Amino acid sequence: QAQLVQSGPEVKKPGASVTVSCRASGYNFDRYGINWLRQAPGQGPEWMGWLRIYNGDTNYAQKFQGRVSMTTDTSTNTAYMELRGLRSDDTAVYYCVRENRRHGSDFDSWGQGTLVTVSS
Amino acid sequence: DIQMTQSPPSLSASVGDRVTITCRASQSISTYLNWYQQRPGRAPKLLIYAASVLQSGVPPRFSGSGSGTDFSLTISSLQPEDFATYYCQQGSDTPRTFGQGTKVEIK
Repeated sequence: QAQLVQSGPEVKKPGASVTVSCRASGYNFDRYGINWLRQAPGQGPEWMGWLRIYNGDTNYAQKFQGRVSMTTDTSTNTAYMELRGLRSDDTAVYYCVRENRRHGSDFDSWGQGTLVTVSS
Repeated sequence: DIQMTQSPPSLSASVGDRVTITCRASQSISTYLNWYQQRPGRAPKLLIYAASVLQSGVPPRFSGSGSGTDFSLTISSLQPEDFATYYCQQGSDTPRTFGQGTKVEIK
């Protein structure tokens, strides 16, 4: 079955950048998209964007345009999300999720989450 | 952006109760609606996609219905492991958006 394993927690200062990795296993990596979401404490999930593995196309939420980059290394079945210009309100748990397109879009497999803390 | 509004924000119920959570979209999304369960400290888990299709491995006490703008998730007989927060999510358009969640607590 599909499994997504993310990198460990990060603590960053305001203005810094963070990169979170997501290693996939148990399925054909380039047949599905990877989406990145985040969840601030006590809030619902927030969609950041998607990455089409087979061709590298991306679609970022307007809120993150210019600050986020989503990339992939198909040789290691790993997706990456870089967020730049960190602010305190970027403190959240970041998730990579597998996107299934059987009827619209749903997220049928989730990474364990990576806590990113932004603090001076 | 499509706004998703859930109600109620929270509810208290007992084991064995029937529970219904509703979700309204700000515009028609056909049946491109998904439901997730999130237990404390865990990642969300997909329960239902396409408004009414049970994800593999999810118990049949969970069911979903609706189309257009109004949807519901029903748990027919609440079990101890069902106390969690539930989110709806639209898969019709980007940005993908979620409801604010419904926390199901033990009465």
